[in-house]
Amino acid sequence: QLVLTQSPSASASLGASVKLTCTLSSGHSSYAIAWHQQRPEEGPRYLMKLDSDGNHDKGDGIPDRFSGSSSGTERYLTISSLQSDDEADYYCQTWGPGIVIFGGGTKLTVL
Amino acid sequence: EVQLVESGGGLVQPGGSLRLSCAASRFRFDDYGMHWVRQVPGKGLEWVSGISWNSGSVAYADSVKGRFTISRDNAEKSLYLQMNSLRAEDTAFYYCAKDRSNSGGNYDGVDYWGQGTLVTVSS
Repeated sequence: QLVLTQSPSASASLGASVKLTCTLSSGHSSYAIAWHQQRPEEGPRYLMKLDSDGNHDKGDGIPDRFSGSSSGTERYLTISSLQSDDEADYYCQTWGPGIVIFGGGTKLTVL
Repeated sequence: EVQLVESGGGLVQPGGSLRLSCAASRFRFDDYGMHWVRQVPGKGLEWVSGISWNSGSVAYADSVKGRFTISRDNAEKSLYLQMNSLRAEDTAFYYCAKDRSNSGGNYDGVDYWGQGTLVTVSS
């Protein structure tokens, strides 16, 4: 069964870097994912598509501070030089024939 | 930039019906798959339904199968979600979302989102 697992929360200091993790269920290491950001009281925003080789395709206007990488069933989102408006929920998404799955989301707090 | 504007949300009684619309602009609507995704306030994202560029392939989450129907009108650049037999647990923000894929019924991830419309199911 295709499942995405994310830690519920993460925190890092202003100006620092943080690495968020999205884990695919066993047997799905070849799957690509997408990362989305949702700031408080806003709709989601697409950040990037990330494949199993770590290649990523970012959305319009997404700064270089956001990058992605992959290892096995894990997909990562790294945000460097953290800013206050990076404080948001981050969701990963994957898909298969006739199905789309979201992870439970990680709430990022910028200290 | 791509624009997706949802409408049609509101208050409806349990067992009632509602039809959501999504007006798309600034991209070739008839080239891309589309989705509806919902979010209970304060909770995570839940995929509801998806449709291919030509309506040849549609899919639903188990939670709405048999009650909701997705459709599109490429001439009008619009996406729809007909929701019947509504339940309290269908209360959520409903987002229209564009898929990256223009290839048949295959998905490739969402790359644009609307701002959402709130559906409240309550007596």
